[in-house]
Amino acid sequence: ILNVEQSPQSLHVQEGDSTNFTCSFPSSNFYALHWYRWETAKSPEALFVMTLNGDEKKKGRISATLNTKEGYSYLYIKGSQPEDSATYLCAPNTGNQFYFGTGTSLTVIP
Amino acid sequence: DTGVSQNPRHKITKRGQNVTFRCDPISEHNRLYWYRQTLGQGPEFLTYFQNEAQLEKSRLLSDRFSAERPKGSFSTLEIQRTEQGDSAMYLCASSFPGAGIEQYFGPGTRLTVT
Repeated sequence: ILNVEQSPQSLHVQEGDSTNFTCSFPSSNFYALHWYRWETAKSPEALFVMTLNGDEKKKGRISATLNTKEGYSYLYIKGSQPEDSATYLCAPNTGNQFYFGTGTSLTVIP
Repeated sequence: DTGVSQNPRHKITKRGQNVTFRCDPISEHNRLYWYRQTLGQGPEFLTYFQNEAQLEKSRLLSDRFSAERPKGSFSTLEIQRTEQGDSAMYLCASSFPGAGIEQYFGPGTRLTVT
């Protein structure tokens, strides 16, 4: 079992603020790192998949970076909007299994 | 295809009863995963299938839990003699094979054992 840590556990920001979260994981046996957004009463939605050290991915106002050597990934949200309110999960994949962190719960206050 | 579907969405059962959940994956996907998620935790891997073959099971999966994917399409997860500790959200996801491939999740089945 992989120990995956996400911080902070929860976050409240004002609309328009930029924010970032951290996902830490053991750097050995690593194949890919996945980020998901999970809104209440909906299915978890895939945001990014990253495999290479130094990978950077961007989707609109959300971007992510990956450092496989030190075992961490950052997720950034620029100009947070109320619709960004959700739990953000990261999940390293060791080949067949996904190991999810406990998530960062983001609340964007209008 | 509208995505991964799960039935039922909610299930309330009494301790000791058996329950069965169903997952219909995206039709082209040959991998299917089951997860359990409890309050304050991330999804926890239970098992996965490639086509009809169950390739891996979590050691956390007790012998009261069994999963099948008989024709390589839909899957069922059965919990026998339910316990209150089984109360959780049970999520299903499907994908193509590969570590860098996205998983697509269903909406989950919320189980409450009274």
